[in-house]
Amino acid sequence: ETGVTQTPRHLVMGMTNKKSLKCEQHLGHNAMYWYKQSAKKPLELMFVYSLEERVENNSVPSRFSPECPNSSHLFLHLHTLQPEDSALYLCASSQEFNFATDTQYFGPGTRLTVL
Amino acid sequence: AQKITQTQPGMFVQEKEAVTLDCTYDTSDQSYGLFWYKQPSSGEMIFLIYQGSYDEQNATEGRYSLNFQKARKSANLVISASQLGDSAMYFCAMREGLGMRFGAGTRLTVKP
Repeated sequence: ETGVTQTPRHLVMGMTNKKSLKCEQHLGHNAMYWYKQSAKKPLELMFVYSLEERVENNSVPSRFSPECPNSSHLFLHLHTLQPEDSALYLCASSQEFNFATDTQYFGPGTRLTVL
Repeated sequence: AQKITQTQPGMFVQEKEAVTLDCTYDTSDQSYGLFWYKQPSSGEMIFLIYQGSYDEQNATEGRYSLNFQKARKSANLVISASQLGDSAMYFCAMREGLGMRFGAGTRLTVKP
């Protein structure tokens, strides 16, 4: 595997379910990110991790819970979601988290539908 | 805060021709970078090309080149010899805080 991978690619869940999204980066980067892309809206930054420590949480509802066990893996745990949470969830990584010139590399995304 | 403007919601280009996608930006930072990403219908955000604000030459990457005019605060993406597989959404972006600020995007359709 190369780059940034995400599983599953598609997920359908009920509002009472608990599920997790997984992201893995094979680039040796130190920072990882979760973004949400809703239809006709720009990407929204959700969480930022640097060397397994959360450095930013952009006022995301508590029904989204991130976990970063090491610098290569990032999870997004989902519980009691709402239909408006249906979106494309993108994971990204970069060498560092605080450089304006640092490129972020994205995974293929998980398309989530909440019924 | 950074601001990214992409004024072309949709563009059409004939296969094998060149196309320019516009991007203007606004920032108070002295050092910054501009990024272009491609997003096919599958959803993946694919990094294409990067231009640093202090780079003296315009960035090029295969069929992609960046027409960077710092004084005008524009960073237009040029795709040469368009291919059918180039049909996708294209986003101009800058780092903002710890994340990225993206423009609204341009949907490019390549006609055979």
